[in-house]
Amino acid sequence: KAGVTQTPRYLIKTRGQQVTLSCSPISGHRSVSWYQQTPGQGLQFLFEYFSETQRNKGNFPGRFSGRQFSNSRSEMNVSTLELGDSALYLCASSLAEYSTRGTDTQYFGPGTRLTVL
Amino acid sequence: LAKTTQPISMDSYEGQEVNITCSHNNIATNDYITWYQQFPSQGPRFIIQGYKTKVTNEVASLFIPADRKSSTLSLPRVSLSDTAVYYCLVGLTTSGTYKYIFGTGTRLKVLA
Repeated sequence: KAGVTQTPRYLIKTRGQQVTLSCSPISGHRSVSWYQQTPGQGLQFLFEYFSETQRNKGNFPGRFSGRQFSNSRSEMNVSTLELGDSALYLCASSLAEYSTRGTDTQYFGPGTRLTVL
Repeated sequence: LAKTTQPISMDSYEGQEVNITCSHNNIATNDYITWYQQFPSQGPRFIIQGYKTKVTNEVASLFIPADRKSSTLSLPRVSLSDTAVYYCLVGLTTSGTYKYIFGTGTRLKVLA
């Protein structure tokens, strides 16, 4: 099976712009989670989508948003980019029926490296 | 604020056993504890997952005490290629909300 794929792998934007990142989960996986990784804050949970609905959310401002499509593919959007948004953005997928939240293994993609100038 | 903490770094020699501990309060009652390995510029790679007591697979063991407020990843006979950052991941319930929380990460350096 193909793993989790993320596009693009690298992205350079300037402050004030917006960006959309894409994630294709492992075939058959229904849950997609997004994380931000920075040297200072480590790996932080952004949000999780299951069956096209956001079911968990981390402590990030409303500039960070996401969605999930019927084929489980997911996108996340960051509007009005700030320098501090420069990070590696990771997507993870899991089989996840709702009742098994927290007990399914999350598999990670390679990430999208976003640089904000 | 719920936190998940790990030692910042560890050094070991090839062939030794390495134990990395993760401390986590407010872990969600029915959630598993998962450990990942991460190399530079790559996504975290799954190592092992467990709920309580001990779990073993072909690459590692995971020890979880009864109170589940900590867990220990054990890597037997490490090699140079095990040099990486290791993270624990837990689900935490705080103030009625649920979040996935990564540990602070442990940078393991294996020496020849």
